[in-house]
Amino acid sequence: QVQLVQSGAEVKKPGSSVKVSCKASGGTFSSSALSWVRQAPGQGLEWMGEIVPFLGTTRYAHRFQGRVTITADKSTSTAYMELSSLRSEDTAVYFCARAPQIGYDNSGYFDYWGQGTLVTVSS
Amino acid sequence: DIQMTQSPSSLSASIGDRVTITCQASQDIRKYLNWYQQKPGKAPKLLIYDASNLERGVPSRFSGGGSGTDFSFTISNLQPEDIATYYCQQYDKLLFTFGPGTKVDF
Repeated sequence: QVQLVQSGAEVKKPGSSVKVSCKASGGTFSSSALSWVRQAPGQGLEWMGEIVPFLGTTRYAHRFQGRVTITADKSTSTAYMELSSLRSEDTAVYFCARAPQIGYDNSGYFDYWGQGTLVTVSS
Repeated sequence: DIQMTQSPSSLSASIGDRVTITCQASQDIRKYLNWYQQKPGKAPKLLIYDASNLERGVPSRFSGGGSGTDFSFTISNLQPEDIATYYCQQYDKLLFTFGPGTKVDF
């Protein structure tokens, strides 16, 4: 059974950065793509980007290009999402989510999710 | 980027009702459309993938259909535990987009 466990809540000042982790267990890290999806209070879901650890590739949503960095440590099966230049509008719950790989192709759907990490940006 | 619209944005129904939500993509996405259920304070849960495939363990009262730009999602016999917000999500050209969501309540 795949499990994704995320790091705890963060409170950050505007202009600073935050780094959230997502540790995978269940033995599928090497055959998965891991995405980050955020949800502002009372709002919908927004995809930010993904990493495919076994390929070493990343992709980012256009609106986050240059401000988000997604990395992975294969030795600990952990993915990270770092968001810089934080502003109040970045206050949200950040989820990691797994998309199974089908060979070298992304399946396109998220079958396992982390529990979410609340990031609050406030002066 | 591909944009997704969902309708309705919210609906009220009764136990046992048949509920249908539609999702439209701004471009042809073939079959690459998925549906999720999200309850307050929880992560989304995958229900339907590739437009019409039921995820393992999901009750058969949930179903999906469509292709190209127009898709639908149906709950055939609404149960109390189905009260949630439902999102469609597309995957095309290596990018993901979610619809704005449909809130289902009694």
